[in-house]
Amino acid sequence: GENVEQHPSTLSVQEGDSAVIKCTYSDSASNYFPWYKQELGKGPQLIIDIRSNVGEKKDQRIAVTLNKTAKHFSLHITETQPEDSAVYFCAASYYGGSQGNLIFGKGTKLSVKP
Amino acid sequence: KAGVTQTPRYLIKTRGQQVTLSCSPISGHRSVSWYQQTPGQGLQFLFEYFSETQRNKGNFPGRFSGRQFSNSRSEMNVSTLELGDSALYLCASSPILGGESPLHFGNGTRLTVT
Repeated sequence: GENVEQHPSTLSVQEGDSAVIKCTYSDSASNYFPWYKQELGKGPQLIIDIRSNVGEKKDQRIAVTLNKTAKHFSLHITETQPEDSAVYFCAASYYGGSQGNLIFGKGTKLSVKP
Repeated sequence: KAGVTQTPRYLIKTRGQQVTLSCSPISGHRSVSWYQQTPGQGLQFLFEYFSETQRNKGNFPGRFSGRQFSNSRSEMNVSTLELGDSALYLCASSPILGGESPLHFGNGTRLTVT
């Protein structure tokens, strides 16, 4: 089946630093790429998404970039704060059926040290 | 708008028993998807329902089943529970069918099988 690779699996940064999480997808038909943040004891929450006709999207301290040719997209968090500590998942749209409509990466555990 | 509501939050069952989990989607959302989340496997797709019909099914055994009611509320059932079924079960709703709309997740039901 199709696949979404996410790196790194863990990331530790100092408060105020930037954090970057990278994902690579395999299905060239994918055209929607959301990012989710999951805090302890909660379900994943959408934080930003991007569609294939856009190369970059920004929302305050969070930005996502997409390179369709290389089939990779990245999440950038600037001026990190302790409340950014969570697990982040990338996902890519898929139309094959048995894997659902979104294929998720394995997640990145981000720790922001005060 | 109220978010996706899942009940119960926690369940402890014994091997061999069966369990039913419930999900109420965001008002107006007609698509409901179910995912199993485990530390080793990440988010794995179980099935998707839209207008009371199962549209997609993941690679899980027939012990896992679901249904959707006319008000879009959904239930999933796991029969003959095994120890490996211990996981966080997440429900997500979307206004449309397909992978190009964000999924809105509930906080999940934590199932422990002993």
